[in-house]
Amino acid sequence: DIQMTQSPSTLSASVGDRVTITCRASQSISTWLAWYQQKPGKAPKLLIFQASSLESGVPSRFSGSGSGTEFTLTISSLQPDDFATYYCQQYNTYANFGQGTKLEIK
Amino acid sequence: QLQLQESGPGLVKPSETLSLTCNVAGGAINSNSLYWGWIRQPPGKGLEWIGSISTSGGSFYNPSLKSRVIMSVDTANNQLSLKVNSMTAADTAVYYCARRSGWHNYFDYWGQGMLVTVSS
Repeated sequence: DIQMTQSPSTLSASVGDRVTITCRASQSISTWLAWYQQKPGKAPKLLIFQASSLESGVPSRFSGSGSGTEFTLTISSLQPDDFATYYCQQYNTYANFGQGTKLEIK
Repeated sequence: QLQLQESGPGLVKPSETLSLTCNVAGGAINSNSLYWGWIRQPPGKGLEWIGSISTSGGSFYNPSLKSRVIMSVDTANNQLSLKVNSMTAADTAVYYCARRSGWHNYFDYWGQGMLVTVSS
């Protein structure tokens, strides 16, 4: 079973900040990693797949990188709509999600 | 625009079987995407993949749930179904159906989710 660990669990930031969320896999998953954004009471929204490919319609301020066991999601300039919880998900073997990172307004 | 909508009982008694349906609108269930999935989220917690199923009926499940889960596809009615037996309070969650993106097990379209509470 592949475990996914995100850090930090909570992140406080301001509009305009550049923020980075890290996701680590317990074993190599190549680039089989997706990132989602979830707002309260809503379904997750796909942002990034294959570690760095931007889903259609997602703003270019979102970017992903990494391979193997360490991955990052970066938001280059935070917008008010970006305050949400973010999850990584590996799909190298079945599917497992990280525990989530809550991005809060500072 | 593809739309997914879960339906079923919002309350299930312990030891009973949960039966949920996902209605797919805005596209044929067996066009483009070969697989569909179910994911759940306990209140205030993270996401857990339950399993994925192809429109030809092939399926694979989270090993931790495999013994209690059955998924099926009804292409005539554009619907998916999920059954989870021997429900306990730990199965209380929002249950989502979602479209798997092509050949890889990540999900690009999601239903709005349905809260299922297990309680006597």
